Amino acid sequence: AQSVSQHNHHVILSEAASLELGCNYSYGGTVNLFWYVQYPGQHLQLLLKYFSGDPLVKGIKGFEAEFIKSKFSFNLRKPSVQWSDTAEYFCAVILMNTGFQKLVFGTGTRLLVSP
Amino acid sequence: DVKVTQSSRYLVKRTGEKVFLECVQDMDHENMFWYRQDPGLGLRLIYFSYDVKMKEKGDIPEGYSVSREKKERFSLILESASTNQTSMYLCASSTLSPGELFFGEGSRLTVL
Repeated sequence: AQSVSQHNHHVILSEAASLELGCNYSYGGTVNLFWYVQYPGQHLQLLLKYFSGDPLVKGIKGFEAEFIKSKFSFNLRKPSVQWSDTAEYFCAVILMNTGFQKLVFGTGTRLLVSP
Repeated sequence: DVKVTQSSRYLVKRTGEKVFLECVQDMDHENMFWYRQDPGLGLRLIYFSYDVKMKEKGDIPEGYSVSREKKERFSLILESASTNQTSMYLCASSTLSPGELFFGEGSRLTVL
Protein backbone atom coordinates (compact mmCIF):
# COMPACT_ATOMS: atom_id res chain seq x y z
CA ALA A 1 0.00 0.00 0.00
CA GLN A 2 1.04 3.54 -0.62
CA SER A 3 2.47 5.33 2.37
CA VAL A 4 3.96 8.68 3.15
CA SER A 5 6.21 9.16 6.18
CA GLN A 6 6.89 12.35 8.04
CA HIS A 7 9.31 11.46 10.77
CA ASN A 8 9.19 14.72 12.71
CA HIS A 9 5.85 15.04 14.45
CA HIS A 10 6.70 18.18 16.39
CA VAL A 11 9.37 20.75 15.64
CA ILE A 12 10.15 23.81 17.74
CA LEU A 13 12.37 26.55 16.34
CA SER A 14 13.32 30.09 17.16
CA GLU A 15 12.71 32.83 14.66
CA ALA A 16 15.41 33.08 11.97
CA ALA A 17 16.38 29.42 12.37
CA SER A 18 16.50 27.24 9.29
CA LEU A 19 13.84 24.63 8.72
CA GLU A 20 13.89 21.25 7.08
CA LEU A 21 10.94 18.86 7.34
CA GLY A 22 11.40 15.34 6.07
CA CYS A 23 9.02 13.45 3.80
CA ASN A 24 9.51 9.98 2.35
CA TYR A 25 7.17 7.89 0.26
CA SER A 26 7.10 4.20 -0.41
CA TYR A 27 6.47 3.49 -4.10
CA GLY A 28 8.60 3.56 -7.17
CA GLY A 29 6.28 4.70 -9.94
CA THR A 30 5.81 8.18 -11.31
CA VAL A 31 4.62 10.47 -8.54
CA ASN A 32 3.36 13.98 -8.07
CA LEU A 33 4.37 15.49 -4.75
CA PHE A 34 2.85 18.19 -2.59
CA TRP A 35 3.23 20.07 0.64
CA TYR A 36 0.10 21.45 2.27
CA VAL A 37 -0.02 23.79 5.26
CA GLN A 38 -2.67 24.43 7.87
CA TYR A 39 -2.26 27.65 9.87
CA PRO A 40 -4.04 27.80 13.23
CA GLY A 41 -7.77 28.17 12.70
CA GLN A 42 -7.49 28.15 8.92
CA HIS A 43 -8.21 25.69 6.16
CA LEU A 44 -5.59 23.43 4.67
CA GLN A 45 -3.93 25.02 1.64
CA LEU A 46 -1.38 24.10 -0.98
CA LEU A 47 2.14 25.30 -0.21
CA LEU A 48 3.98 23.88 -3.21
CA LYS A 49 3.91 21.04 -5.71
CA TYR A 50 6.20 18.99 -7.90
CA PHE A 51 5.04 17.36 -11.11
CA SER A 52 8.17 17.13 -13.26
CA GLY A 53 11.26 19.06 -14.34
CA ASP A 54 13.52 20.92 -11.93
CA PRO A 55 13.53 18.88 -8.72
CA LEU A 56 13.90 22.03 -6.62
CA VAL A 57 10.52 23.72 -6.44
CA LYS A 58 9.62 26.98 -4.83
CA GLY A 59 6.35 27.74 -3.16
CA ILE A 60 4.70 30.57 -1.31
CA LYS A 61 6.21 32.45 1.63
CA GLY A 62 9.81 31.50 0.88
CA PHE A 63 9.37 27.75 1.16
CA GLU A 64 11.06 25.33 -1.18
CA ALA A 65 11.24 21.56 -1.52
CA GLU A 66 13.63 19.21 -3.21
CA PHE A 67 12.61 15.98 -4.90
CA ILE A 68 15.32 13.32 -4.63
CA LYS A 69 14.06 10.36 -6.62
CA SER A 70 16.80 7.99 -5.49
CA LYS A 71 15.87 8.63 -1.85
CA PHE A 72 12.09 8.70 -2.38
CA SER A 73 12.13 12.00 -0.56
CA PHE A 74 10.55 15.43 -0.88
CA ASN A 75 11.85 17.52 2.01
CA LEU A 76 10.53 20.98 2.77
CA ARG A 77 12.95 23.78 3.58
CA LYS A 78 13.00 27.42 4.54
CA PRO A 79 16.23 29.30 5.26
CA SER A 80 14.81 31.53 7.98
CA VAL A 81 11.49 30.89 9.69
CA GLN A 82 9.15 33.48 11.09
CA TRP A 83 6.66 33.32 13.92
CA SER A 84 3.89 33.33 11.31
CA ASP A 85 5.15 29.99 9.96
CA THR A 86 3.72 28.28 13.03
CA ALA A 87 1.41 25.71 11.47
CA GLU A 88 0.96 22.04 10.70
CA TYR A 89 2.62 20.83 7.51
CA PHE A 90 1.50 17.82 5.51
CA CYS A 91 3.38 16.05 2.77
CA ALA A 92 1.21 14.31 0.16
CA VAL A 93 1.82 12.06 -2.81
CA ILE A 94 -0.13 10.86 -5.82
CA LEU A 95 0.96 7.78 -7.71
CA MET A 96 0.31 8.55 -11.36
CA ASN A 97 -0.98 6.26 -14.09
CA THR A 98 -3.07 4.17 -11.72
CA GLY A 99 -6.62 5.10 -12.65
CA PHE A 100 -8.20 7.74 -10.46
CA GLN A 101 -5.35 9.28 -8.60
CA LYS A 102 -5.91 9.56 -4.89
CA LEU A 103 -3.81 11.87 -2.78
CA VAL A 104 -2.14 10.13 0.14
CA PHE A 105 -1.14 12.32 3.07
CA GLY A 106 1.56 11.92 5.66
CA THR A 107 0.76 12.24 9.36
CA GLY A 108 1.80 15.86 9.54
CA THR A 109 4.45 17.90 11.36
CA ARG A 110 3.49 20.58 13.85
CA LEU A 111 5.90 23.48 13.68
CA LEU A 112 6.06 26.00 16.50
CA VAL A 113 8.20 29.06 15.92
CA SER A 114 8.96 31.03 19.04
CA PRO A 115 9.54 34.78 18.71
CA ASP B 1 -11.09 32.40 -5.36
CA VAL B 2 -12.31 28.86 -4.93
CA LYS B 3 -14.59 28.51 -1.98
CA VAL B 4 -15.45 25.24 -0.30
CA THR B 5 -18.07 25.72 2.37
CA GLN B 6 -18.87 23.21 5.06
CA SER B 7 -22.23 23.77 6.66
CA SER B 8 -21.28 23.25 10.30
CA ARG B 9 -18.03 24.17 12.02
CA TYR B 10 -18.89 22.42 15.28
CA LEU B 11 -21.38 19.67 16.02
CA VAL B 12 -22.12 17.66 19.13
CA LYS B 13 -24.16 14.51 18.66
CA ARG B 14 -25.11 11.50 20.73
CA THR B 15 -24.19 7.91 20.01
CA GLY B 16 -26.60 6.37 17.55
CA GLU B 17 -27.75 9.63 16.00
CA LYS B 18 -27.72 10.13 12.25
CA VAL B 19 -25.35 12.91 11.23
CA PHE B 20 -25.23 14.86 7.99
CA LEU B 21 -22.21 16.92 7.01
CA GLU B 22 -22.74 19.14 4.01
CA CYS B 23 -20.16 20.56 1.65
CA VAL B 24 -20.62 22.97 -1.24
CA GLN B 25 -18.02 24.22 -3.72
CA ASP B 26 -18.49 27.13 -6.06
CA MET B 27 -15.95 26.45 -8.81
CA ASP B 28 -17.61 23.71 -10.84
CA HIS B 29 -15.00 21.16 -9.79
CA GLU B 30 -15.48 17.60 -10.93
CA ASN B 31 -13.90 15.89 -7.94
CA MET B 32 -14.93 16.10 -4.31
CA PHE B 33 -13.53 14.39 -1.26
CA TRP B 34 -14.22 13.74 2.39
CA TYR B 35 -11.29 13.26 4.76
CA ARG B 36 -11.07 12.92 8.49
CA GLN B 37 -8.17 14.48 10.34
CA ASP B 38 -6.96 13.04 13.62
CA PRO B 39 -3.86 13.98 15.62
CA GLY B 40 -0.93 11.77 14.74
CA LEU B 41 -2.82 10.11 11.90
CA GLY B 42 -2.90 12.93 9.37
CA LEU B 43 -5.67 12.99 6.80
CA ARG B 44 -7.41 9.80 5.83
CA LEU B 45 -9.72 9.55 2.84
CA ILE B 46 -13.26 8.41 3.61
CA TYR B 47 -15.01 8.74 0.26
CA PHE B 48 -14.57 10.63 -2.97
CA SER B 49 -16.64 11.42 -6.02
CA TYR B 50 -15.49 12.24 -9.53
CA ASP B 51 -18.91 13.00 -10.97
CA VAL B 52 -22.51 13.56 -10.00
CA LYS B 53 -24.06 10.43 -8.52
CA MET B 54 -20.67 8.68 -8.61
CA LYS B 55 -18.92 7.71 -5.41
CA GLU B 56 -15.90 5.64 -4.51
CA LYS B 57 -14.70 4.32 -1.19
CA GLY B 58 -11.53 5.72 0.20
CA ASP B 59 -9.32 4.15 2.82
CA ILE B 60 -11.71 4.24 5.79
CA PRO B 61 -15.32 4.13 4.50
CA GLU B 62 -16.76 1.94 7.26
CA GLY B 63 -19.56 3.64 9.15
CA TYR B 64 -19.96 6.36 6.52
CA SER B 65 -21.90 6.95 3.34
CA VAL B 66 -22.03 9.84 0.89
CA SER B 67 -24.36 11.50 -1.53
CA ARG B 68 -23.67 13.63 -4.57
CA GLU B 69 -26.91 14.62 -6.25
CA LYS B 70 -25.58 17.89 -7.64
CA LYS B 71 -22.12 18.73 -8.90
CA GLU B 72 -21.49 21.41 -6.31
CA ARG B 73 -22.66 19.47 -3.26
CA PHE B 74 -21.15 16.45 -1.53
CA SER B 75 -22.66 15.16 1.69
CA LEU B 76 -21.17 12.83 4.26
CA ILE B 77 -23.58 10.74 6.30
CA LEU B 78 -22.96 8.91 9.53
CA GLU B 79 -25.88 6.50 9.75
CA SER B 80 -25.39 5.79 13.45
CA ALA B 81 -22.73 7.92 15.05
CA SER B 82 -20.25 6.31 17.39
CA THR B 83 -17.70 7.82 19.75
CA ASN B 84 -14.81 6.70 17.55
CA GLN B 85 -16.15 8.98 14.85
CA THR B 86 -15.32 12.03 16.94
CA SER B 87 -12.98 13.88 14.63
CA MET B 88 -12.36 16.82 12.33
CA TYR B 89 -13.97 16.24 8.94
CA LEU B 90 -12.55 18.01 5.92
CA CYS B 91 -14.22 18.41 2.57
CA ALA B 92 -12.17 19.19 -0.52
CA SER B 93 -12.68 19.68 -4.21
CA SER B 94 -10.40 19.63 -7.23
CA THR B 95 -10.33 20.02 -10.96
CA LEU B 96 -8.72 17.47 -13.23
CA SER B 97 -5.24 18.50 -12.03
CA PRO B 98 -4.42 15.62 -9.74
CA GLY B 99 -3.55 16.43 -6.17
CA GLU B 100 -4.38 20.11 -6.12
CA LEU B 101 -7.16 20.15 -3.58
CA PHE B 102 -9.10 23.06 -2.20
CA PHE B 103 -10.28 22.46 1.33
CA GLY B 104 -13.10 23.72 3.45
CA GLU B 105 -12.54 24.93 6.99
CA GLY B 106 -13.59 21.65 8.51
CA SER B 107 -16.39 20.36 10.68
CA ARG B 108 -15.42 19.28 14.17
CA LEU B 109 -17.76 16.52 15.28
CA THR B 110 -17.98 15.31 18.85
CA VAL B 111 -20.00 12.17 19.53
CA LEU B 112 -20.95 11.67 23.16
